[in-house]
Amino acid sequence: DAKTTQPNSMESNEEEPVHLPCNHSTISGTDYIHWYRQLPSQGPEYVIHGLTSNVNNRMASLAIAEDRKSSTLILHRATLRDAAVYYCILRYSGGSNYKLTFGKGTLLTVNP
Amino acid sequence: GAVVSQHPSWVICKSGTSVKIECRSLDFQATTMFWYRQFPKQSLMLMATSNEGSKATYEQGVEKDKFLINHASLTLSTLTVTSAHPEDSSFYICSARDGPRGVGGYTFGSGTRLTVV
Repeated sequence: DAKTTQPNSMESNEEEPVHLPCNHSTISGTDYIHWYRQLPSQGPEYVIHGLTSNVNNRMASLAIAEDRKSSTLILHRATLRDAAVYYCILRYSGGSNYKLTFGKGTLLTVNP
Repeated sequence: GAVVSQHPSWVICKSGTSVKIECRSLDFQATTMFWYRQFPKQSLMLMATSNEGSKATYEQGVEKDKFLINHASLTLSTLTVTSAHPEDSSFYICSARDGPRGVGGYTFGSGTRLTVV
């Protein structure tokens, strides 16, 4: 699986936007970019995913660089409930198992 | 949206006994489910891929005779930790995908906290 690089931790203030970066310089053309988050003592939660174009959903936005070697997860207005570990994962679209391999992620702290 | 139910949410067992963890897809069929393990302050580590009607595929270093996986139906996969020891104490999480291959997110269970005493 292609590797991703994320900052270990980031801090934000409540109601401010948060930009979580992810580098994936070895991404291949068939890799989808997935983002998940994990709250303490819970299973991960799907946030968003994309291939080439920027994506928006009710939770967040995903901005993908033109060369696809990096992406940014954008939380438009952080709340205390957004405090979690955020994982950027490349999901190979070929093969038969389609497994997700987690890295260390970014621990997001949201200050009131 | 898709829901994956995991049971039990926590369990304490004595060393040497076996523990079974269930993972159910409630509103969709999952031909493939995934089992992860997470130690404190660490990331999720994929243990195995569970395939309905066939043998599971284990990741390198995971003992298949210790972590028995059964995926007998399209909505249920089970993980049995056999002869559990204190070092098996961990947070076990299952996952399944609802949607066409290569598209769509994965849904995770809420996890099972296993403590072996």
